[in-house]
Amino acid sequence: EDQVTQSPEALRLQEGESSSLNCSYTVSGLRGLFWYRQDPGKGPEFLFTLYSAGEEKEKERLKATLTKKESFLHITAPKPEDSATYLCAVGRAGGSYIPTFGRGTSLIVHP
Amino acid sequence: DTEVTQTPKHLVMGMTNKKSLKCEQHMGHRAMYWYKQKAKKPPELMFVYSYEKLSINESVPSRFSPECPNSSLLNLHLHALQPEDSALYLCASSPQGALSGNTIYFGEGSWLTVV
Repeated sequence: EDQVTQSPEALRLQEGESSSLNCSYTVSGLRGLFWYRQDPGKGPEFLFTLYSAGEEKEKERLKATLTKKESFLHITAPKPEDSATYLCAVGRAGGSYIPTFGRGTSLIVHP
Repeated sequence: DTEVTQTPKHLVMGMTNKKSLKCEQHMGHRAMYWYKQKAKKPPELMFVYSYEKLSINESVPSRFSPECPNSSLLNLHLHALQPEDSALYLCASSPQGALSGNTIYFGEGSWLTVV
């Protein structure tokens, strides 16, 4: 059975304090690992798609990396506006498989 | 530009009412989705339309009825809902149909409260 586990469940940082969020997965034949940001009461906002181990993508203060077992979302010098829930999802190879979501990491950045 | 537009943003309905949620995308995406999300939980898939045909129904109760009038529009018809159906309903789309590896893009959601 496919599993996606995100850790930590919640993370509090001071502004400027860099850290990483983890998404570990068990899936037969990875076909895409997706990161989203979700603000309270709004739909998930797409951040990155990673397809193969070793791949990295960056956007402003965020950098996503992928290995064969997990993905990290690194946040460099975060600002209060980075506060949100970060969701990870994985797709499995084969037909119309719909991605499985993790439960998310709730990030709060204090000024 | 990746934009999925949902209306209304907020809906309050009684248990005997009939209402609809609407979703529109003009990105030429060929798959559209309905998800349900409860507080502090990840989105939960309800329905998938791929190339305007219903391809996945995740055992959703019949009081929820999806409709895809054309490749840009997706509706969710609601009838005889229960208070536990109150949630954020998310519409989403993906470029090349509901295929593995496609990135799914979400709308802002419609907040539904059943009283």
